[in-house]
Amino acid sequence: EVQLVESGGGLVEPGRSLRLSCTTSGFTFGDYAMSWFRQAPGKGLEWVGFIRSKPYGGTTEEAASVKGRFTISRDDSKSIAYLQMNSLKTEDTAVYYCTRYSGVVPAARFDSWGQGTLVTVAS
Amino acid sequence: DIVLTQSPGTMSLSPGERATLSCRASQSVSSSYLAWYQQKPGQAPRLLIYGASSRATGIPDRFSGSGSGTDFTLTISRLEPEDFAVYYCQQYDSSPWTFGQGTKVEIK
Repeated sequence: EVQLVESGGGLVEPGRSLRLSCTTSGFTFGDYAMSWFRQAPGKGLEWVGFIRSKPYGGTTEEAASVKGRFTISRDDSKSIAYLQMNSLKTEDTAVYYCTRYSGVVPAARFDSWGQGTLVTVAS
Repeated sequence: DIVLTQSPGTMSLSPGERATLSCRASQSVSSSYLAWYQQKPGQAPRLLIYGASSRATGIPDRFSGSGSGTDFTLTISRLEPEDFAVYYCQQYDSSPWTFGQGTKVEIK
């Protein structure tokens, strides 16, 4: 069974840093791209960033709203994806979800989601 | 950025009725990169449809997707009690990947 479990959320002051982890199991992590999304309280979904699998360069993309502050990385030996969040702002308050991306066109899809971890940025 | 506009914002229906949800894109989206999700309170989104019309694993056949270009539709043929939720469309054809604002399907 494919499982993704986010951790590392919590209450943090503006300007501080936090690192989220997405621990996975049930599939060959290194074969898949991973992505992070977030959802502010009572709001819709927003894409945060994406990391390709190593065979596709392991490169990353980030949304403009977090570019330069957030960094996505992966440790294929541990089957974990990370979201390093620096210079946090109050508007970064949200539930953060990690997802698996199955990228074979025409069947490309974000097919598995974690349960999410809440990040609250407040003083 | 591609803006996805979902309509209606809320629809009030009874179990057994048909629901038709619309997602309109500000520019053309490849059908291969259009998805629909269901989200219930306190839960993560659940993938329903990808590639505009392919059902994800385990999704009942009362859910169907259609459309191309800038107009996409999610249809629930006969609403079951567990289908009352918020539905989002998403495009991942062009970065930044974007979502519609959601359609809430509530019990009438």
